This record gives sequence, structure tokens and C-alpha cells, in this order.
Amino acid sequence: NAGVMQNPRHLVRRRGQEARLRCSPMKGHSHVYWYRQLPEEGLKFMVYLQKENIIDESGMPKERFSAEFPKEGPSILRIQQVVRGDSAAYFCASSVQGASSYEQYFGPGTRLTVT
Amino acid sequence: AQSVAQPEDQVNVAEGNPLTVKCTYSVSGNPYLFWYVQYPNRGLQFLLKYITGDNLVKGSYGFEAEFNKSQTSFHLKKPSALVSDSALYFCAVRDGNYQLIWGAGTKLIIKP
Repeated sequence: NAGVMQNPRHLVRRRGQEARLRCSPMKGHSHVYWYRQLPEEGLKFMVYLQKENIIDESGMPKERFSAEFPKEGPSILRIQQVVRGDSAAYFCASSVQGASSYEQYFGPGTRLTVT
Repeated sequence: AQSVAQPEDQVNVAEGNPLTVKCTYSVSGNPYLFWYVQYPNRGLQFLLKYITGDNLVKGSYGFEAEFNKSQTSFHLKKPSALVSDSALYFCAVRDGNYQLIWGAGTKLIIKP
């Protein structure tokens, strides 16, 4: 059973470009979470999605950031017009259910560098 | 508001000695508590969780954690540390909502 897959692992973008981060959850998991981690800091929740639905996006910046989890294919975190402050590691996690008692399984992350 | 505190930025332990990584929490309802480990340039790996039942929870790689409701703590422990345990450890809590609230992390360094 493959784990959570994220690609690309490293992404370099110039200021003003768009960044697209992809996440394929573990097989059988239909709940996806995105987190951002700044250097030497813990994770910050961004968004929680189920297939075709955004359940909680309270951690997502209101502008330039969007996320989707279509019926087919991976979940996408999209950052438009990137700025230097967007440089961080972005982690995706999945769980078999969304209930609080279920642990989340993490992908290896995408390290975004904005130059 | 929910919160998680890991009071130590770094913990240093000699190989073979017992280790403890501290975590305290604040939630409004029943807590669901988790420990994760992160190795350099890697994602987080689930270690163990407390949902209900026995206060002592056993997890992966010989780690265990003790839930203490009166002290609102969930400290991570291991009887005998290995150099390979050196990593960043995160405590997290949920109280029935979707979000995991994370501690800032504790860097564990095991010296040979």
C-alpha cells in the first residue's frame, strides 16, 4: 500500500509565478489535509478536503491560495502570484475518515522556494 | 481556544538512558492526542495516539506516552534511547473538530 505521494518534492518559482502542488492520498483514504511548515516551526493547518468538497479552509490565506480535491486525480494546492513569504514546506496528509480519533498519514512534502 | 505546548525546544539524552519529551494541552472537550516524529527533510510519521481507555499508550519504535488528565499532559517516553531516535518530535491535539493543533516541536538529540 503506497503511502501519501506528493510532487514535486522541490519547486522553485520566481515572484509572481504560480505554484501547483499535488497530493495523492493513501489508497482507501478520502480525506486530505494540507499544512504549511516554516523552518524550525511546527505545522500550520491550511485546509481540509474530501472528494469534491472543501470542508474547512479556515487556515488558508484569503487571497492567492486555493485547493481542490476532484473526483478523479490528486488534490491540488495552488498558489497564485507567489511571494517570498510563501517559501516553506507544504505537507499533505490523508486519513481514512475525518473523525478526530483517526490519525493522519503524511507525505514527504513539497519544498517551495520563491526567488 | 485549543493549544499545545512543548516547553523544551531541545532535549539531550545519552544513548541508553530513558528519555522524556514533554507536552501539555488545552482543549474545551475530550482531547484526542497524537505524537509524530519528523526526520530531516522528511514528512511526519505517526508514533502513537490517545483516544480513550488506558492512560499509558504504546506506539512505534518502543515509544510510549502517558495521558494525565489532571495535569493536562501527554509526555512521550522511551526506556532506553537510541542514536537513531534523534529527530524532531511533535505533539498534536484535536477536540472533535477537524483541525490538528500542533506544538512547536522538540528537537531530540541522542548522544552516543
